[in-house]
Amino acid sequence: NAGVTQTPKFRILKIGQSMTLQCAQDMNHNYMYWYRQDPGMGLKLIYYSVGAGITDKGEVPNGYNVSRSTTEDFPLRLELAAPSQTSVYFCASRMTGWGGGNQPQHFGDGTRLSIL
Amino acid sequence: KNEVEQSPQNLTAQEGEFITINCSYSVGISALHWLQQHPGGGIVSLFMLSSGKKKHGRLIATINIQEKHSSLHITASHPRDSAVYICAVRTGNQFYFGTGTSLTVIP
Repeated sequence: NAGVTQTPKFRILKIGQSMTLQCAQDMNHNYMYWYRQDPGMGLKLIYYSVGAGITDKGEVPNGYNVSRSTTEDFPLRLELAAPSQTSVYFCASRMTGWGGGNQPQHFGDGTRLSIL
Repeated sequence: KNEVEQSPQNLTAQEGEFITINCSYSVGISALHWLQQHPGGGIVSLFMLSSGKKKHGRLIATINIQEKHSSLHITASHPRDSAVYICAVRTGNQFYFGTGTSLTVIP
């Protein structure tokens, strides 16, 4: 199993450009998450999805969009890149099911994004 | 305001020492997670707790729901334990993370 795969690993964008960060998982997990990690700060939840076709905002959604057309894929879209979006982005997934939702998250290796 | 606070921020220990990292939170939670972030950036889940205590090898995690506090202990620390340890809480569908404790274990 590959687990959670994020692409690309690194990217430099110019202000105003757009791009999509890809995230795919092969564990048939229903929940997927996008986080950003800034230096000296804890991870912040951007968006999450509880299943295909269902997404919801996290703590810091402004400037981002997501979609979840399949169970496996959860891309994160930046429409107009701004320097404040320079960060390391992590995708994660977890399974919930019968008996409650206390399953650990599995994280991708991260995408380091710089906006110049 | 931070929903999750960790202490200490930085910790240096000699190999073999017993280490404790603390986490306090201010929200009602469904579960608390301890994560390890390697120097290369990858994040792995160490423990998930909703009550009591869990042990895995040299790592022990405890949680006191009434006091909204959790501790991560490392016994007989080793240089390979050097990493950032992150406390996270789940409330509903949201996760909140501490800023992490950077641990360096010196041979």
